[in-house]
Amino acid sequence: SAVISQKPSRDICQRGTSLTIQCQVDSQVTMMFWYRQQPGQSLTLIATANQGSEATYESGFVIDKFPISRPNLTFSTLTVSNMSPEDSSIYLCSVGVAGRDQPQHFGDGTRLSIL
Amino acid sequence: SQQGEEDPQALSIQEGENATMNCSYKTSINNLQWYRQNSGRGLVHLILIRSNEREKHSGRLRVTLDTSKKSSSLLITASRAADTASYFCATDGGGGADGLTFGKGTHLIIQP
Repeated sequence: SAVISQKPSRDICQRGTSLTIQCQVDSQVTMMFWYRQQPGQSLTLIATANQGSEATYESGFVIDKFPISRPNLTFSTLTVSNMSPEDSSIYLCSVGVAGRDQPQHFGDGTRLSIL
Repeated sequence: SQQGEEDPQALSIQEGENATMNCSYKTSINNLQWYRQNSGRGLVHLILIRSNEREKHSGRLRVTLDTSKKSSSLLITASRAADTASYFCATDGGGGADGLTFGKGTHLIIQP
């Protein structure tokens, strides 16, 4: 399976600031996704990162708050903008191959705390 | 969304015993996947079962799928302390082109 590197692994940020999380995969993959895991909760899909075009956001998530880039098939970034304590979560990227019945594989996540 | 439900939310057993976790979902799926998460880190993929399969094995893991009841179970046999983790089911309704919809998870504690 693909090796996924996510940076930073953790950060503590001040409210009102923004942080960009990077996700790098060691092979070309069709699909890249971003998820949020709030404390003690399950994972929720934020968006699908589309190469060379705007990401596809799930209900409740907007581009102004979570801008996403995907310049090529192996790299994507998620920015958490104008952060508040409610944004304290683990953010995870995952990769997959479009086509039936392929598992998604996840990076180690970024643990974000907002003061 | 087809948010799944898992039960139990927490399970504590003795080492060597079997652990069973259940998952239910709401809409049709292409496949269902089980993941393990240790201490809030990344997810490790355990097993994928297709919608036309009823049972699948991988080592000490056994997964069943009942699409008529929209439910799945994960059995871990002969549990070990290293199995202590949170376990999540996730459904794929888009054939890999969509993200996954996760259940709430079961936190499993194996007592030595």
